[in-house]
Amino acid sequence: GAGVSQSPRYKVAKRGQDVALRCDPISGHVSLFWYQQALGQGPEFLTYFQNEAQLDKSGLPSDRFFAERPEGSVSTLKIQRTQQEDSAVYLCASSLGFQGTTGANVLTFGAGSRLTVL
Amino acid sequence: DAKTTQPTSMDCAEGRAANLPCNHSTISGNEYVYWYRQIHSQGPQYIIHGLKNNETNEMASLIITEDRKSSTLILPHATLRDTAVYYCIVRVKPQDYGGATNKLIFGTGTLLAVQP
Repeated sequence: GAGVSQSPRYKVAKRGQDVALRCDPISGHVSLFWYQQALGQGPEFLTYFQNEAQLDKSGLPSDRFFAERPEGSVSTLKIQRTQQEDSAVYLCASSLGFQGTTGANVLTFGAGSRLTVL
Repeated sequence: DAKTTQPTSMDCAEGRAANLPCNHSTISGNEYVYWYRQIHSQGPQYIIHGLKNNETNEMASLIITEDRKSSTLILPHATLRDTAVYYCIVRVKPQDYGGATNKLIFGTGTLLAVQP
């Protein structure tokens, strides 16, 4: 598609429920990122994929957070046993990747999925 | 990655130039300066980047000081639609990642309010 697509745009979950957030990156983009953005804050890095390989998950706040990108395209961020502090906007971004580029690596972001945990 | 410092907020009159400053005094020689902005309820949007020369595109101009310790993003004729949070980020050149994650690290940015 023309841009990064995320679904659902809004999700309300009861505390303790599991949620899954989907990201469709731009076709052909090698790199995929997940960010978490709390109200009034800048986006915080969660995890990074290069194709299907998860190369960096240093930003995942706990083992309740899990991300996958099994075929190197669509990615899913799963949050198990949601807590109120998980309420945030979850942003997905993709890029062509750095290999072979001579310029900067520009990330294209989706509109985000807003998660509210009650 | 070098840390950046930006004012929390700024106002600008519609039609006037908006000049957004950023300090990055610990920037290394192989780090680019990036600017992104985030309009309410949207994801961040790339604006411009530069290494050491001034840059201009259809959205903005980027002025980097000779010592590279600071930069200014210029929106030449601000409109109400330019009201957003503007993030200044420094990041290692792609060729120098050496396999490390090429993630962007955001601060809290500058909230630019364009007034009618």
